Amino acid sequence: KAGVTQTPRYLIKTRGQQVTLSCSPISGHRSVSWYQQTPGQGLQFLFEYFSETQRNKGNFPGRFSGRQFSNSRSEMNVSTLELGDSALYLCASRGETGQYFGPGTRLTVT
Amino acid sequence: GIQVEQSPPDLILQEGANSTLRCNFSDSVNNLQWFHQNPWGQLINLFYIPSGTKQNGRLSATTVATERYSLLYISSSQTTDSGVYFCAVGDYKLSFGAGTTVTVRA
Repeated sequence: KAGVTQTPRYLIKTRGQQVTLSCSPISGHRSVSWYQQTPGQGLQFLFEYFSETQRNKGNFPGRFSGRQFSNSRSEMNVSTLELGDSALYLCASRGETGQYFGPGTRLTVT
Repeated sequence: GIQVEQSPPDLILQEGANSTLRCNFSDSVNNLQWFHQNPWGQLINLFYIPSGTKQNGRLSATTVATERYSLLYISSSQTTDSGVYFCAVGDYKLSFGAGTTVTVRA
């Protein structure tokens, strides 16, 4: 099976802009989770989607949102970007033996 | 939420050496995973090990769920083993430790 894919891999945005990141899970996986990794905070859970419904949400402001489509592909959106949003954003799909991660999207906000 | 602590934070090894990484967690868990983060940032699955012992080549892991810890063993280390190793617990929401940065010198 193909692994988790994420697009784009790299992104540079300006403060105040918005961004949309995409994630395609492993075929057959219905749960998709998003994580943010920064040098200061480490890996933090953003939210989890299952069958197009957000089931779990981490402690992030409302500027961070997401959705899941009927084919289990997921997108996350960050509005009104701040410098502190610069991070590696990782998506994972969950199978019977845990979560499997994509290569990540590295977002730089200038 | 569950607290996950990893030790040591940094480990420097000579090629061929063995090492043990530890992960302590604050509450009972149903799932525990070990990952290796490669230089490009991707988290590579090493083990899914809620309990017991597993081996994969030069790597092995043991989780003692009743005592809330897991160990990752690296034997005969190689330079390609360098990177950050993470322990994570949870089902739909993984709680990660801060990681152990391993540097293997030739």
